[in-house]
Amino acid sequence: QKEVEQDPGPLSVPEGAIVSLNCTYSNSAFQYFMWYRQYSRKGPELLMYTYSSGNKEDGRFTAQVDKSSKYISLFIRDSQPSDSATYLCAMSSASGGSYIPTFGRGTSLIVHP
Amino acid sequence: ETGVTQTPRHLVMGMTNKKSLKCEQHLGHNAMYWYKQSAKKPLELMFVYNFKEQTENNSVPSRFSPECPNSSHLFLHLHTLQPEDSALYLCASSQDGTSEGKTQYFGPGTRLLVL
Repeated sequence: QKEVEQDPGPLSVPEGAIVSLNCTYSNSAFQYFMWYRQYSRKGPELLMYTYSSGNKEDGRFTAQVDKSSKYISLFIRDSQPSDSATYLCAMSSASGGSYIPTFGRGTSLIVHP
Repeated sequence: ETGVTQTPRHLVMGMTNKKSLKCEQHLGHNAMYWYKQSAKKPLELMFVYNFKEQTENNSVPSRFSPECPNSSHLFLHLHTLQPEDSALYLCASSQDGTSEGKTQYFGPGTRLLVL
């Protein structure tokens, strides 16, 4: 079983839709959860950063962590064509002093006008 | 711009060539990383440098050789690569010391094609 599972998609939605992107994980030691957005021909850029369980909102983006289910989500409200990108989840723990994140494969999102 | 630059952006090389990838960060960070990104696969961590010292080598073949002369610069020296090494090579940096500071900032990557 991979440490972090993420459906690669592609996920295609119409403009204005609410998008839900998800990852599951197996390592219960993960405490830090991140979402990165990667446009074509660019490096990943940090979108959201969450510690432990709960929700975090930033504009149209909401990150949700459910540690009991080992499940994290990223919601995008009022999706725009400019949101079309690959979204990577990443997570890390403090065990052994190493915070180096483990990444999912990324989900390709297409928002069509 | 994330404050992490990489050159070249694209590289085509033969299996007998020697080339180097360069990464520079302008964020005052103390940790730098090399990742390999292949299609439909998770980011693969290759090397980690913390305060110029290599702290991780993730079983990377010796045809990849990293160099970190200072906290702002990171190189990846390539020699006798194989076609399966074709990928996007990403450099990242993070500020060491605090949990939140471990967030990584990525460069745009070097798209490498080995013929």
